[in-house]
Amino acid sequence: GDSVTQMEGPVTLSEEAFLTINCTYTATGYPSLFWYVQYPGEGLQLLLKATKADDKGSNKGFEATYRKETTSFHLEKGSVQVSDSAVYFCARVSGNTPLVFGKGTRLSVIA
Amino acid sequence: SQTIHQWPATLVQPVGSPLSLECTVEGTSNPNLYWYRQAAGRGLQLLFYSVGIGQISSEVPQNLSASRPQDRQFILSSKKLLLSDSGFYLCAWRVKQGGSPLHFGNGTRLTVT
Repeated sequence: GDSVTQMEGPVTLSEEAFLTINCTYTATGYPSLFWYVQYPGEGLQLLLKATKADDKGSNKGFEATYRKETTSFHLEKGSVQVSDSAVYFCARVSGNTPLVFGKGTRLSVIA
Repeated sequence: SQTIHQWPATLVQPVGSPLSLECTVEGTSNPNLYWYRQAAGRGLQLLFYSVGIGQISSEVPQNLSASRPQDRQFILSSKKLLLSDSGFYLCAWRVKQGGSPLHFGNGTRLTVT
Protein backbone atom coordinates (compact mmCIF):
# COMPACT_ATOMS: atom_id res chain seq x y z
CA GLY A 1 0.00 0.00 0.00
CA ASP A 2 0.88 3.67 -0.03
CA SER A 3 3.42 4.79 2.54
CA VAL A 4 5.57 7.68 3.69
CA THR A 5 8.98 7.22 5.28
CA GLN A 6 10.57 9.93 7.38
CA MET A 7 13.97 10.07 8.98
CA GLU A 8 14.00 8.88 12.56
CA GLY A 9 14.35 11.49 15.22
CA PRO A 10 14.89 13.17 17.46
CA VAL A 11 16.87 15.84 15.68
CA THR A 12 18.68 18.32 17.90
CA LEU A 13 20.14 21.48 16.38
CA SER A 14 21.61 24.71 17.61
CA GLU A 15 19.83 27.93 16.81
CA GLU A 16 20.58 29.24 13.28
CA ALA A 17 21.66 25.80 12.06
CA PHE A 18 20.45 24.39 8.73
CA LEU A 19 17.63 21.87 8.92
CA THR A 20 16.85 18.95 6.65
CA ILE A 21 14.22 16.34 7.46
CA ASN A 22 14.10 13.60 4.85
CA CYS A 23 10.83 12.21 3.51
CA THR A 24 10.21 9.67 0.77
CA TYR A 25 6.86 8.43 -0.50
CA THR A 26 5.42 5.65 -2.60
CA ALA A 27 4.81 6.81 -6.12
CA THR A 28 1.47 5.17 -6.92
CA GLY A 29 -0.97 7.55 -8.52
CA TYR A 30 -0.23 11.25 -8.62
CA PRO A 31 -0.05 12.17 -4.95
CA SER A 32 -0.16 15.55 -3.36
CA LEU A 33 2.45 15.98 -0.64
CA PHE A 34 2.32 17.85 2.64
CA TRP A 35 4.35 18.80 5.66
CA TYR A 36 2.55 19.30 8.96
CA VAL A 37 3.92 20.69 12.22
CA GLN A 38 2.70 19.81 15.70
CA TYR A 39 3.66 21.98 18.65
CA PRO A 40 3.41 20.46 22.15
CA GLY A 41 -0.16 19.82 23.25
CA GLU A 42 -1.67 21.02 19.98
CA GLY A 43 -3.16 19.57 16.83
CA LEU A 44 -1.33 19.36 13.52
CA GLN A 45 -1.00 22.48 11.39
CA LEU A 46 -0.45 22.41 7.67
CA LEU A 47 3.00 23.87 7.07
CA LEU A 48 3.31 23.57 3.29
CA LYS A 49 2.14 21.54 0.35
CA ALA A 50 2.98 20.61 -3.24
CA THR A 51 0.59 19.07 -5.71
CA LYS A 52 2.76 18.07 -8.67
CA ALA A 53 6.31 17.25 -9.64
CA ASP A 54 8.85 20.09 -9.27
CA ASP A 55 6.43 22.19 -7.20
CA LYS A 56 8.10 23.91 -4.26
CA GLY A 57 6.02 24.48 -1.16
CA SER A 58 7.18 27.18 1.23
CA ASN A 59 6.02 28.81 4.45
CA LYS A 60 7.65 30.50 7.45
CA GLY A 61 11.13 29.95 6.00
CA PHE A 62 10.54 26.22 5.43
CA GLU A 63 10.72 24.76 1.93
CA ALA A 64 10.18 21.38 0.31
CA THR A 65 10.38 20.40 -3.36
CA TYR A 66 8.31 17.61 -4.91
CA ARG A 67 10.94 15.35 -6.52
CA LYS A 68 9.32 12.70 -8.68
CA GLU A 69 12.60 11.15 -9.83
CA THR A 70 13.68 10.41 -6.26
CA THR A 71 10.14 10.17 -4.76
CA SER A 72 11.23 12.63 -2.10
CA PHE A 73 9.85 15.71 -0.38
CA HIS A 74 12.55 16.77 2.04
CA LEU A 75 11.84 19.64 4.44
CA GLU A 76 14.51 22.34 4.72
CA LYS A 77 15.07 25.56 6.58
CA GLY A 78 18.14 27.70 6.36
CA SER A 79 18.26 28.96 9.94
CA VAL A 80 16.17 27.33 12.66
CA GLN A 81 14.91 29.08 15.76
CA VAL A 82 14.04 27.76 19.20
CA SER A 83 10.38 28.36 18.31
CA ASP A 84 10.68 25.75 15.51
CA SER A 85 10.96 22.98 18.10
CA ALA A 86 8.06 20.66 17.29
CA VAL A 87 7.19 17.36 15.65
CA TYR A 88 7.09 17.40 11.85
CA PHE A 89 5.00 15.00 9.79
CA CYS A 90 5.26 14.29 6.09
CA ALA A 91 2.10 13.07 4.35
CA ARG A 92 0.82 12.07 0.93
CA VAL A 93 -2.63 11.69 -0.57
CA SER A 94 -4.06 10.50 -3.86
CA GLY A 95 -7.58 11.48 -4.74
CA ASN A 96 -10.04 11.30 -1.87
CA THR A 97 -8.41 8.44 0.00
CA PRO A 98 -7.29 9.20 3.58
CA LEU A 99 -3.92 10.89 3.95
CA VAL A 100 -0.99 8.64 4.72
CA PHE A 101 1.39 10.09 7.31
CA GLY A 102 4.97 9.38 8.19
CA LYS A 103 5.76 8.58 11.82
CA GLY A 104 6.90 12.10 12.60
CA THR A 105 10.29 13.62 13.39
CA ARG A 106 10.84 15.48 16.63
CA LEU A 107 13.01 18.59 16.27
CA SER A 108 14.59 20.28 19.26
CA VAL A 109 16.40 23.57 18.72
CA ILE A 110 18.65 24.78 21.53
CA ALA A 111 19.79 28.35 22.07
CA SER B 1 -13.28 30.96 6.72
CA GLN B 2 -13.49 27.42 7.95
CA THR B 3 -12.97 26.43 11.56
CA ILE B 4 -13.03 23.17 13.46
CA HIS B 5 -14.03 22.84 17.08
CA GLN B 6 -13.17 19.86 19.20
CA TRP B 7 -14.05 19.33 22.86
CA PRO B 8 -13.29 18.77 25.58
CA ALA B 9 -9.61 19.69 25.51
CA THR B 10 -8.75 17.30 28.33
CA LEU B 11 -10.62 14.43 29.91
CA VAL B 12 -9.86 12.01 32.73
CA GLN B 13 -12.14 8.98 32.84
CA PRO B 14 -12.11 5.74 34.88
CA VAL B 15 -11.80 2.37 33.20
CA GLY B 16 -15.19 1.05 32.16
CA SER B 17 -16.83 4.46 31.83
CA PRO B 18 -18.39 5.70 28.60
CA LEU B 19 -16.83 8.26 26.27
CA SER B 20 -18.18 10.90 23.95
CA LEU B 21 -15.93 13.31 22.07
CA GLU B 22 -17.46 15.82 19.74
CA CYS B 23 -16.16 17.68 16.72
CA THR B 24 -17.90 20.27 14.58
CA VAL B 25 -16.79 22.10 11.47
CA GLU B 26 -17.95 25.54 10.40
CA GLY B 27 -17.71 27.37 7.12
CA THR B 28 -17.88 24.41 4.76
CA SER B 29 -20.43 21.84 3.73
CA ASN B 30 -20.25 18.11 2.99
CA PRO B 31 -16.66 17.69 4.22
CA ASN B 32 -14.88 14.42 4.76
CA LEU B 33 -14.36 13.97 8.50
CA TYR B 34 -11.71 11.96 10.36
CA TRP B 35 -10.78 10.76 13.84
CA TYR B 36 -7.13 10.04 14.61
CA ARG B 37 -5.43 8.85 17.77
CA GLN B 38 -1.89 9.66 18.77
CA ALA B 39 -0.30 7.67 21.59
CA ALA B 40 2.40 9.41 23.61
CA GLY B 41 5.47 10.02 21.47
CA ARG B 42 3.99 8.08 18.57
CA GLY B 43 2.62 8.76 15.13
CA LEU B 44 -0.97 9.13 13.97
CA GLN B 45 -3.40 6.24 13.81
CA LEU B 46 -6.50 6.71 11.65
CA LEU B 47 -9.52 5.42 13.56
CA PHE B 48 -12.57 6.41 11.51
CA TYR B 49 -13.51 8.54 8.57
CA SER B 50 -16.78 9.66 7.05
CA VAL B 51 -17.67 10.92 3.59
CA GLY B 52 -21.27 11.79 4.49
CA ILE B 53 -24.04 11.70 7.09
CA GLY B 54 -24.39 8.22 8.52
CA GLN B 55 -21.43 6.89 6.51
CA ILE B 56 -18.59 5.64 8.71
CA SER B 57 -15.49 3.70 7.71
CA SER B 58 -13.54 2.00 10.47
CA GLU B 59 -9.83 1.54 10.03
CA VAL B 60 -9.01 -0.24 13.29
CA PRO B 61 -11.32 -2.71 15.08
CA GLN B 62 -11.57 -1.78 18.75
CA ASN B 63 -14.06 -0.72 21.39
CA LEU B 64 -14.53 2.72 19.88
CA SER B 65 -17.24 3.80 17.48
CA ALA B 66 -18.01 6.93 15.50
CA SER B 67 -21.16 8.60 14.29
CA ARG B 68 -22.01 11.48 12.00
CA PRO B 69 -25.52 12.63 12.86
CA GLN B 70 -25.22 15.92 10.97
CA ASP B 71 -23.21 17.08 8.00
CA ARG B 72 -20.57 18.90 10.05
CA GLN B 73 -20.67 16.93 13.29
CA PHE B 74 -18.53 13.92 14.06
CA ILE B 75 -18.69 12.05 17.36
CA LEU B 76 -16.31 9.46 18.81
CA SER B 77 -17.77 7.15 21.44
CA SER B 78 -17.08 4.20 23.62
CA LYS B 79 -19.38 2.23 25.90
CA LYS B 80 -16.57 1.07 28.20
CA LEU B 81 -13.12 2.65 28.18
CA LEU B 82 -9.94 0.61 28.51
CA LEU B 83 -6.60 1.80 29.86
CA SER B 84 -5.22 1.42 26.34
CA ASP B 85 -7.68 4.03 25.08
CA SER B 86 -5.59 6.78 26.67
CA GLY B 87 -4.09 9.12 24.12
CA PHE B 88 -4.48 12.31 22.15
CA TYR B 89 -7.53 12.27 19.88
CA LEU B 90 -7.61 14.50 16.85
CA CYS B 91 -10.52 15.37 14.63
CA ALA B 92 -9.86 16.60 11.11
CA TRP B 93 -11.71 17.60 7.95
CA ARG B 94 -11.01 18.11 4.29
CA VAL B 95 -12.96 19.11 1.21
CA LYS B 96 -13.89 16.48 -1.35
CA GLN B 97 -11.32 17.64 -3.86
CA GLY B 98 -8.68 15.15 -4.84
CA GLY B 99 -5.37 15.90 -3.17
CA SER B 100 -6.77 18.40 -0.68
CA PRO B 101 -5.06 18.73 2.73
CA LEU B 102 -6.44 17.80 6.13
CA HIS B 103 -7.28 20.48 8.68
CA PHE B 104 -7.01 19.44 12.31
CA GLY B 105 -8.70 20.45 15.51
CA ASN B 106 -6.73 21.14 18.68
CA GLY B 107 -7.21 17.65 20.04
CA THR B 108 -8.53 16.02 23.20
CA ARG B 109 -6.11 14.58 25.73
CA LEU B 110 -7.83 11.49 27.19
CA THR B 111 -6.43 9.79 30.27
CA VAL B 112 -8.10 6.57 31.37
CA THR B 113 -7.33 5.75 34.99
